[in-house]
Amino acid sequence: IAGITQAPTSQILAAGRRMTLRCTQDMRHNAMYWYRQDLGLGLRLIHYSNTAGTTGKGEVPDGYSVSRANTDDFPLTLASAVPSQTSVYFCASSDERGRGTDTQYFGPGTRLTVL
Amino acid sequence: GQNIDQPTEMTATEGAIVQINCTYQTSGFNGLFWYQQHAGEAPTFLSYNVLDGLEEKGRFSSFLSRSKGYSYLLLKELQMKDSASYLCAPMDSNYQLIWGAGTKLIIKP
Repeated sequence: IAGITQAPTSQILAAGRRMTLRCTQDMRHNAMYWYRQDLGLGLRLIHYSNTAGTTGKGEVPDGYSVSRANTDDFPLTLASAVPSQTSVYFCASSDERGRGTDTQYFGPGTRLTVL
Repeated sequence: GQNIDQPTEMTATEGAIVQINCTYQTSGFNGLFWYQQHAGEAPTFLSYNVLDGLEEKGRFSSFLSRSKGYSYLLLKELQMKDSASYLCAPMDSNYQLIWGAGTKLIIKP
């Protein structure tokens, strides 16, 4: 593994189903993030984690949950998917949230379609 | 509220110079990032400015004026591979990045 990986690459999901998007980084970064990107809009932060064992809500957290059991993994769960959650989801990580110079590095993304 | 304003789309010619502007309003400020995003790919880091002035990095330069809430990305000697979206993202007082919708840059031969 080099950098950040996400799985699956893409997924079509029936409304009401549960889905977990996986994210793994091997850079030993403390902070991790989940964003969604929709056409015509900027990236919007869903949830973040400053360090293993802690999580926080971003701009659009409703309908999503996260956990951070260890440094490397930060899964995002949709408990009951709805069509408005159709989007491209990016996971990112950074060395230490809370510094201005802290650069975020992104995974390749998961394209999710909810029907 | 927090707001980022960038042009939606720009067109330039291979070999030329283009300037992509970004104006922002944020609650506090801890620097501004520019990212490049090719279609269907992840954003990749280009530059970071926290002090006023110009930061040069090869063919790319980024400028910041904190008093005006203004930044620009300057791309020189444009190449076809520079066709991408360019995302402006200031960092607010909570160290959260506030993302603009991005400027789609089209390079023509």
